Amino acid sequence: AQTVTQSQPEMSVQEAETVTLSCTYDTSESDYYLFWYKQPPSRQMILVIRQEAYKQQNATENRFSVNFQKAAKSFSLKISDSQLGDAAMYFCAYRKGGGAQKLVFGQGTRLTINP
Amino acid sequence: GAGVSQTPSNKVTEKGKYVELRCDPISGHTALYWYRQSLGQGPEFLIYFQGTGAADDSGLPNDRFFAVRPEGSVSTLKIQRTERGDSAVYLCASSLPGQEHSYEQYFGPGTRLTVT
Repeated sequence: AQTVTQSQPEMSVQEAETVTLSCTYDTSESDYYLFWYKQPPSRQMILVIRQEAYKQQNATENRFSVNFQKAAKSFSLKISDSQLGDAAMYFCAYRKGGGAQKLVFGQGTRLTINP
Repeated sequence: GAGVSQTPSNKVTEKGKYVELRCDPISGHTALYWYRQSLGQGPEFLIYFQGTGAADDSGLPNDRFFAVRPEGSVSTLKIQRTERGDSAVYLCASSLPGQEHSYEQYFGPGTRLTVT
């Protein structure tokens, strides 16, 4: 079974600084996708960034980028120029390839932005 | 367009009662997923539908939990004989078939269920 582990229950960063959230996963599949979701107090899960396992290039979305280390099964999220609106729970998630598949989530990291 | 909606937003029920939670997916999305998120945890998969049929119900914890999607759109998660351990946020998501990247799941705001 696939598992996703986030070892940092809480992180904090000064506004405008950079922070990195860690995630490791375990799978025997070769075709899969990795995601970072943001969950503010409103509970709505919002997709932040997606990485296809077959792509060597790390995904980037504006201030958000990932460091995907396939051999190490590591998938960290870097947030640059942190903003107060970035404060939320962040979840790392895995999905097997091959169509509609369930997401497997990590335990989450609570990110606090200090003004 | 409208996103995934879930009703009710909050539900308080007494132990032993029956509850129904509703999910309206994004129009045209044929895949629909249910997840359960306990306090301080990540969401855990319960069941997913492709059209009207349950394609994977391996996450349902026991036979008190049941879900239906009779017309391939709205889905209802049903919990019989509720227990205090069922208290959680129940999240629904939907996705559109097509290219691999189109299987992105769009989440609703969830229903917070409290069993007293």
